[in-house]
Amino acid sequence: KQEVTQIPAALSVPEGENLVLNCSFTDSAIYNLQWFRQDPGKGLTSLLLIQSSQREQTSGRLNASLDKSSGRSTLYIAASQPGDSATYLCASDSWGKLQFGAGTQVVVTP
Amino acid sequence: NAGVTQTPKFRVLKTGQSMTLLCAQDMNHEYMYWYRQDPGMGLRLIHYSVGEGTTAKGEVPDGYNVSRLKKQNFLLGLESAAPSQTSVYFCASSPEGSSYEQYFGPGTRLTVT
Repeated sequence: KQEVTQIPAALSVPEGENLVLNCSFTDSAIYNLQWFRQDPGKGLTSLLLIQSSQREQTSGRLNASLDKSSGRSTLYIAASQPGDSATYLCASDSWGKLQFGAGTQVVVTP
Repeated sequence: NAGVTQTPKFRVLKTGQSMTLLCAQDMNHEYMYWYRQDPGMGLRLIHYSVGEGTTAKGEVPDGYNVSRLKKQNFLLGLESAAPSQTSVYFCASSPEGSSYEQYFGPGTRLTVT
């Protein structure tokens, strides 16, 4: 059974610092790896989707990498802003079903 | 487009009561999903559907039933609510299965006393 882990559970950084969020998974037989953002009391918003054949995806200040052989994905957020404060979840996709990590709660202080 | 909507937003039930959560999507997506989110555990898949008239079990299906009579709607039913079903429930949809983003609704917060 796929297990997805996100460490740390919480992270606080000053504005302007780069954020590095980690995601590890136990089964490398995945179709893709997705990163989501969740604001308090809200649903999930998809940020990036990395296909299993890709090594990374970029969108604006966000960059996500995928290393299937080591079972790791990393989300980088450049020059963090207070508006980046949220919980970030990763999920591995096996046969169209997502297995989620518990998330990393990020606070960016002004 | 409204995207994915969920009804109701909040609900309090007593143990043993029943209720139905409604999920609707206007993106003509084939796949729909129901998840529950509990503190510290991420989201877990309850049931999903790969098209109108189909349903399948996810990771935690016990105590729940679903129906997909129309392509745009996916209903989640609790026949006899238990305190262990206190959670936030999210619905999602995607064009197909793997390799496509899932679009999430805003969630339903359910408390069973």
